[in-house]
Amino acid sequence: AQSVSQHNHHVILSEAASLELGCNYSYGGTVNLFWYVQYPGQHLQLLLKYFSGDPLVKGIKGFEAEFIKSKFSFNLRKPSVQWSDTAEYFCAAGGGGATNKLIFGTGTLLAVQP
Amino acid sequence: DTGVSQNPRHKITKRGQNVTFRCDPISEHNRLYWYRQTLGQGPEFLTYFQNEAQLEKSRLLSDRFSAERPKGSFSTLEIQRTEQGDSAMYLCASSPSGQNHSPLHFGNGTRLTVT
Repeated sequence: AQSVSQHNHHVILSEAASLELGCNYSYGGTVNLFWYVQYPGQHLQLLLKYFSGDPLVKGIKGFEAEFIKSKFSFNLRKPSVQWSDTAEYFCAAGGGGATNKLIFGTGTLLAVQP
Repeated sequence: DTGVSQNPRHKITKRGQNVTFRCDPISEHNRLYWYRQTLGQGPEFLTYFQNEAQLEKSRLLSDRFSAERPKGSFSTLEIQRTEQGDSAMYLCASSPSGQNHSPLHFGNGTRLTVT
């Protein structure tokens, strides 16, 4: 069955700390991978995506993620977090195809303390 | 880009009542999706439209749920005989057709509370 797992449900960091959020997927065939962010009171927004090519992808606001096919992982990283990064982060996988629907993980709530 | 618009933002209803939500996607997007999100969970896929055709429905979508996209523009999601378990955030998303890795653009959602 297709699934996405995020093992960190709640992360608390101080400003300037480094961030790594785990994401593992189970998906047959070609997979496209995404990280979305939801700031308090706002809609889900795309941070970055991987669909082919360089497995290290860079997104907005200094975020990056690395696709490691052998580990079925797509972890999100940021070298130095800011208070404004406080949000919920969702990893998602999709195979494209006829529907291009996405399967989401359960999310990681990040709280950055000033 | 005016974004995906959903109405209403909040809906409180009594068990057994019917409710209808509306989604206006980004105008040039052919693909439209409905998702449901409950507390502590990620969005779960409900159904998908390509233009006016409903091409996929999740088994989460019981026969009390129906979705339409009559002219390939806005979409409605109706829940009949609501139950307390229907309480959730209902999200709409759209994307352009063509690229199979196009990201989904989400609306702010409609939060349903069934009392």
